[in-house]
Amino acid sequence: SAVISQKPSRDICQRGTSLTIQCQVDSQVTMMFWYRQQPGQSLTLIATANQGSEATYESGFVIDKFPISRPNLTFSTLTVSNMSPEDSSIYLCSVGDRDNQPQHFGDGTRLSIL
Amino acid sequence: EDKVVQSPLSLVVHEGDTVTLNCSYEVTNFRSLLWYKQEKKAPTFLFMLTSSGIEKKSGRLSSILDKKELFSILNITATQTGDSAVYLCAVLNFNKFYFGSGTKLNVKP
Repeated sequence: SAVISQKPSRDICQRGTSLTIQCQVDSQVTMMFWYRQQPGQSLTLIATANQGSEATYESGFVIDKFPISRPNLTFSTLTVSNMSPEDSSIYLCSVGDRDNQPQHFGDGTRLSIL
Repeated sequence: EDKVVQSPLSLVVHEGDTVTLNCSYEVTNFRSLLWYKQEKKAPTFLFMLTSSGIEKKSGRLSSILDKKELFSILNITATQTGDSAVYLCAVLNFNKFYFGSGTKLNVKP
């Protein structure tokens, strides 16, 4: 399976600031996704990162809050904007190289907002 | 509303015990069910099930799917402390995964 590098692995940020998380894959993949996992909760899909076009956001998530880029088939970024303590979570990038195949996850970014 | 429900939410056993984790789902246009193990941050893939009644096995772990009753089980035999983790069940339909809340397994020496 693809090797997925996600960074930063963790960060502590001030309220009102923004942080960009990077996800780099060692091979071209069709699908890239961003998830959030709040403390004690399961994974919630934020959006599907589409190469060369705008991301597709799930209900409850908007582009102004979570802008996503995907300039090519191996890289994507997620920005968490204007952060508040409620944004404290683990953010996970995942990839899938074929339809109806397992997704594989990056190591995640543990984000804490003070 | 599409959903995936796992039980129990948490479980404490001793080394050598056998455990069964449950996953039931109500997801339209079901395509496959997956199990993941999450120890720190990144979930790692265990099994993918698409057909009923066919057991997938990897060492001490095994899993099976019942598409009629809409559930799957994950069995772990002869548990070890290294099996301590959150086990996540996910169901795929047309490129979107629905995750359950997970079962937190604690294996004591």
